[in-house]
Amino acid sequence: QQQVKQSPQSLIVQKGGISIINCAYENTAFDYFPWYQQFPGKGPALLIAIRPDVSEKKEGRFTISFNKSAKQFSLHIMDSQPGDSATYFCAASRTNDYKLSFGAGTTVTVRA
Amino acid sequence: GAVVSQHPSWVICKSGTSVKIECRSLDFQATTMFWYRQFPKQSLMLMATSNEGSKATYEQGVEKDKFLINHASLTLSTLTVTSAHPEDSSFYICSADRPVGAFFGQGTRLTVV
Repeated sequence: QQQVKQSPQSLIVQKGGISIINCAYENTAFDYFPWYQQFPGKGPALLIAIRPDVSEKKEGRFTISFNKSAKQFSLHIMDSQPGDSATYFCAASRTNDYKLSFGAGTTVTVRA
Repeated sequence: GAVVSQHPSWVICKSGTSVKIECRSLDFQATTMFWYRQFPKQSLMLMATSNEGSKATYEQGVEKDKFLINHASLTLSTLTVTSAHPEDSSFYICSADRPVGAFFGQGTRLTVV
């Protein structure tokens, strides 16, 4: 049973466009929601994370939007660049056990 | 930033042999590390939680006798795949937690022939 559902499975965006990836969770005990970026043959790299006490967090071109009542959160990649082409995973965990539940992943392709 | 290093990056072994993968936290101490397995174009699947000085905790369906985990120090956890078979071929990744989040190693590509 997947605890975090992620969509879309893949997306293609033009350079300079906005990439949007959505995730939904069921477990209301989750209180930490990170996003990871993974390139082929490499381990995931922490991109940005949010906790439920804020509705939005921005770091550079990456923004997380969080809707606690809907149990949804999303990643927006602004001004997408070819170097952003990678697989993105959302995840969720509880602070007291740190075990991450991952979404299925979204492969983003940025066309020049 | 926090760095987690895995070794080797890739390994090919014969069926029936054992392979050891190391995961080190280079600039911090990690009492807990995690081991994941990832199949091509799929998500990460948690295999076990490695606890320094105590037994690892395995996720349901993971054979603890096949995937031996040892966390002998605060900076090193090892995963040994015993009597490896072709179906064990996969990408194995470890992680360690910091206050800002989990940091992952670069992964180990295991191919069993």
